[in-house]
Amino acid sequence: EERLVESGGDLVKPGGSLRISCAASGFTFSDAWMSWVRQAPGKGLEWVGRIKSKTNGETTDYAAPVKGRFTISRDDSKFVVYLQMTSLKSEDTALYFCANSNGGFDLWGQGTLVTVSS
Amino acid sequence: SYVLTQPPSVSVAPGETASLTCGGNNIEDKSVHWYQQKPGRAPVLVIYSDDDRPSGIPERFSGSNSGNTATLTISRVEVGDEADFYCQVWDPTSDHYVFGTGTKVSVL
Repeated sequence: EERLVESGGDLVKPGGSLRISCAASGFTFSDAWMSWVRQAPGKGLEWVGRIKSKTNGETTDYAAPVKGRFTISRDDSKFVVYLQMTSLKSEDTALYFCANSNGGFDLWGQGTLVTVSS
Repeated sequence: SYVLTQPPSVSVAPGETASLTCGGNNIEDKSVHWYQQKPGRAPVLVIYSDDDRPSGIPERFSGSNSGNTATLTISRVEVGDEADFYCQVWDPTSDHYVFGTGTKVSVL
């Protein structure tokens, strides 16, 4: 069964840092382009960023609100993709999903909650 | 950046047809995907590449894309179809993914 499981969400103070993870199983992870998508409380979906497969250079791209503060990486040997978040702001408070970019996003995790508050 | 516009809400009676629109500049040149999200759950892909259905998605869900508007059609609407629906495209200019603003479907 194809599955994505996020973890690591927490309460963080403004200006702080946090790394969240997404563990994959049931599909060829090394070929997958993986994205992070977030959803602020009561709001819509917002694409955060993507990492391509190693075959495609592990290239990363980020949405404007997080560029320069967030970094996506992957460890194909562990079947995990990471989202390193720095200089966190209150507006980064959201449920963070990882998703497999395969045309559309055809596989999603259940999300992990990141709360930025003093 | 590319913008996708959806009506905030649509109401429909059980058994009727719901048409959800997604507006974008020359959206017909892009491949549009649709997601259903129920409260407290992760989104689920219901239509990909304008008009294809993933396995397990009922035939009642269909999609089209023409001009500046893509449309998700839900036929014979059921109470269980109540959810938020989002359209999404990939913008080659920025190499970014873009989500629409979302439409809340209420089944009266």
